[in-house]
Amino acid sequence: GQNIDQPTEMTATEGAIVQINCTYQTSGFNGLFWYQQHAGEAPTFLSYNVLDGLEEKGRFSSFLSRSKGYSYLLLKELQMKDSASYLCAVRSPSGFKTIFGAGTRLFVKA
Amino acid sequence: ETGVTQTPRHLVMGMTNKKSLKCEQHLGHNAMYWYKQSAKKPLELMFVYSLEERVENNSVPSRFSPECPNSSHLFLHLHTLQPEDSALYLCASSQDGPGLAAQETQYFGPGTRLLVL
Repeated sequence: GQNIDQPTEMTATEGAIVQINCTYQTSGFNGLFWYQQHAGEAPTFLSYNVLDGLEEKGRFSSFLSRSKGYSYLLLKELQMKDSASYLCAVRSPSGFKTIFGAGTRLFVKA
Repeated sequence: ETGVTQTPRHLVMGMTNKKSLKCEQHLGHNAMYWYKQSAKKPLELMFVYSLEERVENNSVPSRFSPECPNSSHLFLHLHTLQPEDSALYLCASSQDGPGLAAQETQYFGPGTRLLVL
């Protein structure tokens, strides 16, 4: 079956670092995406990993281990505006089908 | 025009109504998608069109009928819906196809929030 697991909710403090984990079991793999979705808004692209290792983009980094079916999104120097849901998604080899996790709601407190 | 637009943004309909959701992308992409997002559930892929041909149909009830007249426009026709169909319906587009880099991400529209009474 196809399954993507991520924590339902997390809380962190402004200025801190938070790591959001994602584990996946899918029939085929052609890359993993992280999206950010503010309440009532569309998901927006954050990062993409297809090879093992860490991809860094400003305050956001994403890590992938294909052998472990594991990824994480690392957010540094947290800001209040980072309060949102973070969606982990795995792309199928066909390229058209992307399986999404239920998302992790991050609350950033002062 | 920015990215991917959807109309209407909000829709309330009765179970016997017929309505249509519209999506338009201004990014020159060749693939378009419909997703359903219910509270606290993962995004569910409903349909995918590539070059105006349907390439994915994820066991969606026939009361949802997609239409893709060209690569920039996508419709979702709704009829005799049920209250459990109330959700946020998101459209997305991407540049996809054999041989292209798989990192072509999907760009989402703002969604249509649908309430079925």
